[in-house]
Formats: sequence, structure tokens, C-alpha cells
Amino acid sequence: QSVLTQPPSASGTPGQRVTISCSGSSSNIGSNYVYWYQQLPGTAPKLLIYRNNQRPSGVPDRFSGSKSGTSASLAISGLRSGDEADYYCATWDDSLSGVVFGGGTQLTAL
Amino acid sequence: EVQLVESGGGLVQPGGSLRLSCAASGFTFSNYAMNWVRQAPGKGLEWLSGISGSGTSTYYADSVKGRFTISRDNSKNTLSLQMSSLRAEDTAVYYCTGDSYGYWCPDYWGQGTLVTVSS
Repeated sequence: QSVLTQPPSASGTPGQRVTISCSGSSSNIGSNYVYWYQQLPGTAPKLLIYRNNQRPSGVPDRFSGSKSGTSASLAISGLRSGDEADYYCATWDDSLSGVVFGGGTQLTAL
Repeated sequence: EVQLVESGGGLVQPGGSLRLSCAASGFTFSNYAMNWVRQAPGKGLEWLSGISGSGTSTYYADSVKGRFTISRDNSKNTLSLQMSSLRAEDTAVYYCTGDSYGYWCPDYWGQGTLVTVSS
């Protein structure tokens, strides 16, 4: 059981906007920055969003992050088949003194 | 270009030990906190341990506390993970990761090295 809760799956049609949620608590999301990662099949994870809503250079602006209270969301607009991947949220947990990940969401482009 | 290259993975018997290494290049290694993250086959990501840039602060997940030890050599730009009392459930791909933003979550990832614990 992961400390951060994500839906196990999400889907959308090409061109659609899809959101993935990440729920935590006051000791993690509520008091620290949220990061999001994309993991394509057979590859290492790649940073998509840092500090809640910042994109590293090279990440398209179709990807956006937000945070409110103890929850965060990743939004993908203009969904493409190439966006099919597993997505993970992460943050520091003050109570555990460690990084915690969500269980991951498998995104499918229908 | 930032590069993190893990080595040392392989097959080990239950109860055995293994040492993973990570060679870092393309950035000022001592300025980055570093972490080890693993992924069991078909499962999600699990953070294992982190170490500050100076090496003075270390953190561990409960699942590996007392069995794994993280260390770094800033003169050689290397990160290590000494693993002992290995169990079947430690079988996973182990990733070396770097944190450039100062919030411990990784931004740079290595390609991973597979550790298989089996008799």
C-alpha cells in the first residue's frame, strides 16, 4: 500500500485532456513539493513536473501539474498515443523522513 | 550531459550481500543529494535511501533499514549501496538518482541495474 494514492489506470482518446490525481496527507503533499514522472515501457522514469507545477526544459507544455492542500494532479492535454505510459507522483514525507511515491497510474490512449 | 551509470547487479542467494555502484558525470556531484530507488518486476517505484551532497545526512526506508547502507565518494563521483541479508523480495531493478533542486525527489535517473535474489 503506497503512502500516496493514485488511480491504477486512466484513459482518454487522442486529443482529449486527461488528469491523474495523487492524494496524500499533511506530512507529505500538504507540506512539500510534488513531483511527477513518466515511465515508458522498458525505460527508466523521466521527470515531468517538479515543485508542483514546474516543467524541466524539453517537457512539452501539454503536461501541467497542480496542487491543492493534500492532493495534486497531473493534466495531459492533447493526448497522444506516445503518452501511453505509467505515471508516478512523489514527494518528501516529513513523518517518514523519506521520499514517497504513488502506486502509479497506467495511462492508455484509446 | 548528466550521466548516471549503475553497476554491480546480478544474481545473489537469499541471505547474501551485494554492492551496487553508480558512476556520475556531467555535473558537480557534491552539490547533489543522491538516492537509490528500486522497482520490482511489474511493480511501482520504491524509494530506498538518500544521502546529502556532503554525505553527512542519510535516510532509509523502513524496508531496508539495518540491511542496506548508502555512501558516496565525492572525490570519485561515485554513489554506492551496500546490501546485505538479501531476500527474494529485494529482487528489482535498482536506479541511481540525483536531486538537483534540493527537495530529495529525483530529477536525474540512471538506466538501472537488475538484482535477482534467488537460490
